[in-house]
Amino acid sequence: QKEVEQNSGPLSVPEGAIASLNCTYSDRGSQSFFWYRQYSGKSPELIMFIYSNGDKEDGRFTAQLNKASQYVSLLIRDSQPSDSATYLCADGNTGGFKTIFGAGTRLFVKA
Amino acid sequence: DGGITQSPKYLFRKEGQNVTLSCEQNLNHDAMYWYRQDPGQGLRLIYYSQIVNDFQKGDIAEGYSVSREKKESFPLTVTSAQKNPTAFYLCASSIGVDRVGGGELFFGEGSRLTVL
Repeated sequence: QKEVEQNSGPLSVPEGAIASLNCTYSDRGSQSFFWYRQYSGKSPELIMFIYSNGDKEDGRFTAQLNKASQYVSLLIRDSQPSDSATYLCADGNTGGFKTIFGAGTRLFVKA
Repeated sequence: DGGITQSPKYLFRKEGQNVTLSCEQNLNHDAMYWYRQDPGQGLRLIYYSQIVNDFQKGDIAEGYSVSREKKESFPLTVTSAQKNPTAFYLCASSIGVDRVGGGELFFGEGSRLTVL
């Protein structure tokens, strides 16, 4: 059974700081990983996708993948109160079918 | 605008009743999914469908049923056999191509079911 592990938090950072969110995965053959943001009471929305080792940057967001360590991270630079949400890490190796989600990390950005 | 529409947003059910949650998409996606989310937990897959007239059980299919008669529609019925149905239900779709990156999920707004 594939698993994705995340620290549930909450992770609290001051406004303007870098927020670092981490997850580990169990399937060494997994290739594609997704970060979804979910505001309270709302549905998840995709913010980053990564499948190559190394870093991928999009605006204030950087996703990092280390396949040797089976580790995925999301960095949020210049954190804003509007970034306060739960961030879900997902192993999407099978093209969407049976994507495995972590339980999510709650992030709180203090103004 | 393309997207996924779920209805109703809120639903109350008495024990022993079946309820059906609607999910319609106009993204022309082949694959559709139903997930359940409980407080403080991640998403758990109930059922998924890769093509019309075909669907597969996910990890927690017991007490649920689905149909896929049209590409655009994937309704979920929560039956009385589901012992703890109170949860947030999310419908999603994806392009359905089994390739790297093909797994992006697009979600509806969700349906919150409460059993009284």
